[in-house]
Amino acid sequence: GNSVTQMEGPVTLSEEAFLTINCTYTATGYPSLFWYVQYPGEGLQLLLKATKADDKGSNKGFEATYRKETTSFHLEKGSVQVSDSAVYFCALSALKAAGNKLTFGGGTRVLVKP
Amino acid sequence: NAGVMQNPRHLVRRRGQEARLRCSPMKGHSHVYWYRQLPEEGLKFMVYLQKENIIDESGMPKERFSAEFPKEGPSILRIQQVVRGDSAAYFCASSPRYGQGEMDEQYFGPGTRLTVT
Repeated sequence: GNSVTQMEGPVTLSEEAFLTINCTYTATGYPSLFWYVQYPGEGLQLLLKATKADDKGSNKGFEATYRKETTSFHLEKGSVQVSDSAVYFCALSALKAAGNKLTFGGGTRVLVKP
Repeated sequence: NAGVMQNPRHLVRRRGQEARLRCSPMKGHSHVYWYRQLPEEGLKFMVYLQKENIIDESGMPKERFSAEFPKEGPSILRIQQVVRGDSAAYFCASSPRYGQGEMDEQYFGPGTRLTVT
């Protein structure tokens, strides 16, 4: 079956530091890949996505590239802010006749200190 | 355009009681997904519904859990005879359609945090 593995947190950084969160996946076929962000007490918000190999998703300074050869979708940001403190989830979706349910990684908590 | 609405936001039930969680999808969306998030874990798929149809319930526990999405009104996730292990955050997501060759984004509600005492 499908699965997503992401690095465990928490990740603690200083403001303006470089952030990388590793994500690898196992799936049959050609899944779409997503990063979601969850702020305390809130639901998930889609941060970025990529639907095919070598696509790069980007949003709010975050980037991730769909690497089929390494089955990875690592999230990066060059200069984090305190407001980036949240839990980040990597997820995949593989279209099937019965919809496109998401398979999530366990989440990585990021704490950015001023 | 209002987002996905869930209520209640917090629900406390004693063991053995019933819990009803409601989800109103975004306007124009006819597909609803329910996910469960246990403490300090990622989200796990439970069920996928379209209006009046359960399409995929492969993630639903076989007993005590049921879901519906009637022609009119919100989608309901129902948990009968709750136990402490049901304590979790339950998230609903909606999407406009299921499309071939193009992923449809899912929009998440704020969740219902169920506590079983």
